[in-house]
Amino acid sequence: EPEVTQTPSHQVTQMGQEVILRCVPISNHLYFYWYRQILGQKVEFLVSFYNNEISEKSEIFDDQFSVERPDGSNFTLKIRSTKLEDSAMYFCASSVGRHNTEAFFGQGTRLTVV
Amino acid sequence: DAKTTQPNSMESNEEEPVHLPCNHSTISGTDYIHWYRQLPSQGPEYVIHGLTSNVNNRMASLAIAEDRKSSTLILHRATLRDAAVYYCILRFSSGSARQLTFGSGTQLTVLP
Repeated sequence: EPEVTQTPSHQVTQMGQEVILRCVPISNHLYFYWYRQILGQKVEFLVSFYNNEISEKSEIFDDQFSVERPDGSNFTLKIRSTKLEDSAMYFCASSVGRHNTEAFFGQGTRLTVV
Repeated sequence: DAKTTQPNSMESNEEEPVHLPCNHSTISGTDYIHWYRQLPSQGPEYVIHGLTSNVNNRMASLAIAEDRKSSTLILHRATLRDAAVYYCILRFSSGSARQLTFGSGTQLTVLP
């Protein structure tokens, strides 16, 4: 069964450093998403991406965050200068369509900012 | 966004059916009802979705009230592996790449 893969599974970084979280969505999917989940809290939407541009973003997704689909297969989330409060599980998801299709989620990257 | 209301937690015995309720009284006519679940230490997983008619798939059934103000996710025979947080989510049918808005969900405990 096709799946969304995320790397690394765990990333530890120092506060102020840049991190790039990587995702390989399912190959025929057109819509891509990043979500995060702080330990013990809800899954929160960060950004959606379609046709090589951001479709929607939440208020969490400020200027410190950026997304890119550099080569037609990878989908990356960059955090320019990490803060302690960025520590969370980051989930990538993809779907064929917008609202009437299922979203497939990866297993997540646990980001720990120290 | 239209909101959903779910019980915080439910328990079920293994191999018995489970009915997980969801209220969405402010649902609009074109909102799809989606269910996802999140097993411990994993990403969310799609379970089922529907618009007006009841839906069945290999994982579960979705029963949608005639007025669409509530729905019920039915697991026909709960297994220990079904212990998870279950999220009922409304997804708009228009607009751009609409995100999923996760609430707190229902924590399902399956007792052996």
